[in-house]
Amino acid sequence: GAGVSQSPSNKVTEKGKDVELRCDPISGHTALYWYRQSLGQGLEFLIYFQGNSAPDKSGLPSDRFSAERTGGSVSTLTIQRTQQEDSAVYLCASSLALTGSGNTIYFGEGSWLTVV
Amino acid sequence: GDSVTQMEGPVTLSEEAFLTINCTYTATGYPSLFWYVQYPGEGLQLLLKATKADDKGSNKGFEATYRKETTSFHLEKGSVQVSDSAVYFCALRIQGAQKLVFGQGTRLTINP
Repeated sequence: GAGVSQSPSNKVTEKGKDVELRCDPISGHTALYWYRQSLGQGLEFLIYFQGNSAPDKSGLPSDRFSAERTGGSVSTLTIQRTQQEDSAVYLCASSLALTGSGNTIYFGEGSWLTVV
Repeated sequence: GDSVTQMEGPVTLSEEAFLTINCTYTATGYPSLFWYVQYPGEGLQLLLKATKADDKGSNKGFEATYRKETTSFHLEKGSVQVSDSAVYFCALRIQGAQKLVFGQGTRLTINP
């Protein structure tokens, strides 16, 4: 497709279960980002990929969170042993290789995660 | 560190009113500035951007001017419509850095 694609769009999981969230960036975009948007909160940066490597993982909230990217394309965000405070919208975004801070970052519609 | 502070919401206006949403920033380097919009049930979309001081970004009747002297990037529209109801996010990105740093968002509701 033309935009950033995320799946699932909605996920309800039981506390303690693991979840995987998938992101398909725009074709040709080498930079990929994960953000989290919690109810009443702003947008929280989680991790950034350039190609398959992650130079900045500084936003991952705990070691229960991990992400990988393969083939310079699809990325998976994994949350292990989910907790209720993990409930949020997880947003994926992508952009062209960075030559300046003005490059536009395009967002997907997000994966709504609810931990019950 | 780098941060963005937005006008607190929610903001409620009548149709055809003038809109200003304030945004100020603190940056360790030289940022590009952005406004993103999130319409109900949709993803974040870039509304406009400015990459250097005194640049004006504009789109869909919205404007924002990059003011380095006041470290601001206020969003304005002369006559709002019901369809402008959304959450608006101000953001910055430092030259040489990768991530966007967002403000907390401002929810705007326009009544007919």
